[in-house]
Amino acid sequence: DQQVKQNSPSLSVQEGRISILNCDYTNSMFDYFLWYKKYPAEGPTFLISISSIKDKNEDGRFTVFLNKSAKHLSLHIVPSQPGDSAVYFCAASEDSTGTYKYIFGTGTRLKVLA
Amino acid sequence: GAGVSQSPRYKVAKRGQDVALRCDPISGHVSLFWYQQALGQGPEFLTYFQNEAQLDKSGLPSDRFFAERPEGSVSTLKIQRTQQEDSAVYLCASSLRDRGHEQYFGPGTRLTVT
Repeated sequence: DQQVKQNSPSLSVQEGRISILNCDYTNSMFDYFLWYKKYPAEGPTFLISISSIKDKNEDGRFTVFLNKSAKHLSLHIVPSQPGDSAVYFCAASEDSTGTYKYIFGTGTRLKVLA
Repeated sequence: GAGVSQSPRYKVAKRGQDVALRCDPISGHVSLFWYQQALGQGPEFLTYFQNEAQLDKSGLPSDRFFAERPEGSVSTLKIQRTQQEDSAVYLCASSLRDRGHEQYFGPGTRLTVT
């Protein structure tokens, strides 16, 4: 049973436009969410995170929105740049376990067209 | 400073062979995680160490998988009697205990079992 879902395997966006990547989760106990970016042959790199006590977190061109009632989060990239082309993973964790292990989605491949 | 390193980067094993995968975490990072990433999937949690203590091994798929971190720094993931379904990228991540949410990933070891 997939607890974190990224239903769009791929997304293409023109340079300069907004990229919106979506993620849904089923476990209401999740209380911390993260986005990771992955280039080929490299490990995932941390991008941005959000605690369940917030509904928005912004860092430069990247903003993450959390809708707890819908169990949905999204990552907005504005403006999109060709260097943003990568696979983006949504991840969730449950602090109460004390482990901070992540549950990852299957990823969305973003292609930013020049 | 140096990031998380993993060796070997690529490993080909014949079915039934034992393999050992090494992870060198960032110096001073207390927490260490192993994940398995199958083709087209997101990383899946295998096991977690805090210093030398293995606090969570709930993700290890079978008793053929064994992980250790005897001195609280370098960790080894061992897979005995490898099977084709073990083919995947094995990712190691480390984090500071008090910033456990931000995990830093290594580049992974790609294991192919033939």
